[in-house]
Amino acid sequence: GAVVSQHPSWVICKSGTSVKIECRSLDFQATTMFWYRQFPKQSLMLMATSNEGSKATYEQGVEKDKFLINHASLTLSTLTVTSAHPEDSSFYICSATGRDNEQFFGPGTRLTVL
Amino acid sequence: AQSVTQLDSHVSVSEGTPVLLRCNYSSSYSPSLFWYVQHPNKGLQLLLKYTSAATLVKGINGFEAEFKKSETSFHLTKPSAHMSDAAEYFCVVSDRRRGGKLIFGQGTELSVKP
Repeated sequence: GAVVSQHPSWVICKSGTSVKIECRSLDFQATTMFWYRQFPKQSLMLMATSNEGSKATYEQGVEKDKFLINHASLTLSTLTVTSAHPEDSSFYICSATGRDNEQFFGPGTRLTVL
Repeated sequence: AQSVTQLDSHVSVSEGTPVLLRCNYSSSYSPSLFWYVQHPNKGLQLLLKYTSAATLVKGINGFEAEFKKSETSFHLTKPSAHMSDAAEYFCVVSDRRRGGKLIFGQGTELSVKP
């Protein structure tokens, strides 16, 4: 149990386009989902906390208009990178909170912006 | 504020020898601590967690960690390394005062030589 999926697993896009990444909790309901960003050989950096039915809470330094987060249901949160640029290329990982507030992580999405 | 420091960015061991990955934490109250493993281009897998129960925590794949309050440490150990243990390991503390947000250490890359 407690499986979290992400789609797509990788995406390549042109500079200026927008990319949507989905995060789903497959066998449990998650009131809270988290979005992280990881640069090569670095640790995970929390970008935002996504709560079902309310606006996401962004960490300091993360542009909310750049990284749009929607948490429309208890099993789905989406991250849209708007007007992507090469510096947005990164590994994006989501997690969903299950029982006892344990976080279960998705497999990640590799974004490459040309 | 809570934080974790992983003392080694890279550890190299020979197959069959013990593994020690060091982590120190800083917390103004009793912390929840975790070790996660990440294989290349993959999401994170929980190895073990400490939540104020037994100080010696056993996890998956033969890993264990000991919570030492006097030393503010939570080192990860394994008696005998396997080639499949080669990965990135993260020591993580949960900030309960911030909705359970996870604060990641910098990561330790474990290499296992044949």
